[in-house]
Amino acid sequence: QVQVVQSGAEVKKPGASVKVSCKASGYTFNSYYIHWVRQAPGQGLEWMGIINPSDSRTRNAQKFQGRLTVTRDTSTKTVYMELSSLRSEDTAVYYCALEYNTSSFDFWGQGTLVTVSS
Amino acid sequence: DIQMTQSPSSLSASVGDRVTITCRASQGISNYLAWFQQKPGKAPKSLIYAASSLQSGVPSKFSGSGSGTDFTLTISSLQPEDFATYYCQQYNDYPLTFGGGTKVEIK
Repeated sequence: QVQVVQSGAEVKKPGASVKVSCKASGYTFNSYYIHWVRQAPGQGLEWMGIINPSDSRTRNAQKFQGRLTVTRDTSTKTVYMELSSLRSEDTAVYYCALEYNTSSFDFWGQGTLVTVSS
Repeated sequence: DIQMTQSPSSLSASVGDRVTITCRASQGISNYLAWFQQKPGKAPKSLIYAASSLQSGVPSKFSGSGSGTDFTLTISSLQPEDFATYYCQQYNDYPLTFGGGTKVEIK
């Protein structure tokens, strides 16, 4: 079955970077885009960026330009989201979401809590 | 950026009620509109795509309508498992944007 499974929770200090993974299975990895979405505690959903696994092209929300890097490893069918220069406002649950057959977010990872605290 | 405005932000309803949530886009988005359900501590779940198409496995009590700037999500007969927060999202243009959410609570 199609699924995307994320890495575990992280605790980082302000100014550090975090790298979250999203491992895909059950489908042809190169064929479908993967997005990253985050949700701060008690808040709504915020789209961060997208990667095309077939050619690794990405597009990020302007808000994260210069801080967000999305990459993929085709050998392990894994997408990575790295956010740098972390601040307390980056404390959130980060989700990967697969655009599988509807041009929307058809399948979601379980979420990864990133806590930024000194 | 396209702003997505949901209303109401919260509502109280009883089991068996018909519930309607609205979502308005700040500019036309054709039918590139999705709806998601999120329960506490869980990832969002896709309900509706292309404004009115039911995601595979989603019960038919959920329905969506609209095109352009105005959209609705309707739950025909609210059940205990439907108490959750619902989000709309446009995918007509980047950056993709979400509505602020509608929390459906038990009356």
